[in-house]
Amino acid sequence: GQQLNQSPQSMFIQEGEDVSMNCTSSSIFNTWLWYKQDPGEGPVLLIALYKAGELTSNGRLTAQFGITRKDSFLNISASIPSDVGIYFCAGPIIQGAQKLVFGQGTRLTINP
Amino acid sequence: EPEVTQTPSHQVTQMGQEVILRCVPISNHLYFYWYRQILGQKVEFLVSFYNNEISEKSEIFDDQFSVERPDGSNFTLKIRSTKLEDSAMYFCASVRRNSNQPQHFGDGTRLSIL
Repeated sequence: GQQLNQSPQSMFIQEGEDVSMNCTSSSIFNTWLWYKQDPGEGPVLLIALYKAGELTSNGRLTAQFGITRKDSFLNISASIPSDVGIYFCAGPIIQGAQKLVFGQGTRLTINP
Repeated sequence: EPEVTQTPSHQVTQMGQEVILRCVPISNHLYFYWYRQILGQKVEFLVSFYNNEISEKSEIFDDQFSVERPDGSNFTLKIRSTKLEDSAMYFCASVRRNSNQPQHFGDGTRLSIL
């Protein structure tokens, strides 16, 4: 089945640093989603990308939909402590009802 | 903003017992989902539900699992005879249309099987 590979698996950074993570797939997705998960909570949507090449921002977060439709990256600028968490990329597979395929996640840890 | 709500937040159950996890999807959404996340792993699709029937299920969703929409608001996941390996976070999600619209997730139920 379709799989998403995220890298890096974990990041340890200083507060204020910029962060970049990416997600790749062996097959094409028509939508890329980036979710954040805080401990004990469900995934919360950060950014949705719908067109190849699209670059979308949400505050300090910027994500791009790769032109091959097989990758996406998420950048966080000027990280703050509340950015700590696990970031997942996800792509919908629409055969019948939509279902989401998730990457393994990137765990972000920030040292104050 | 409307939310998907799940109860209970934590369920502890003896192995072999039945458990029912409950979800209230967003009110005007039509497609409902259950996902599972084993500790430290990625979120995995279990089942999708539309128009009062299962649309798709993964290989994880075996005969021990069932879903139901008993009334106009609740969406439940039942595990008939729980196993140790069923211990995980279970997330409910919903979306209004079967399109590229992002799914909205609840905060999950942590299921612990003893």
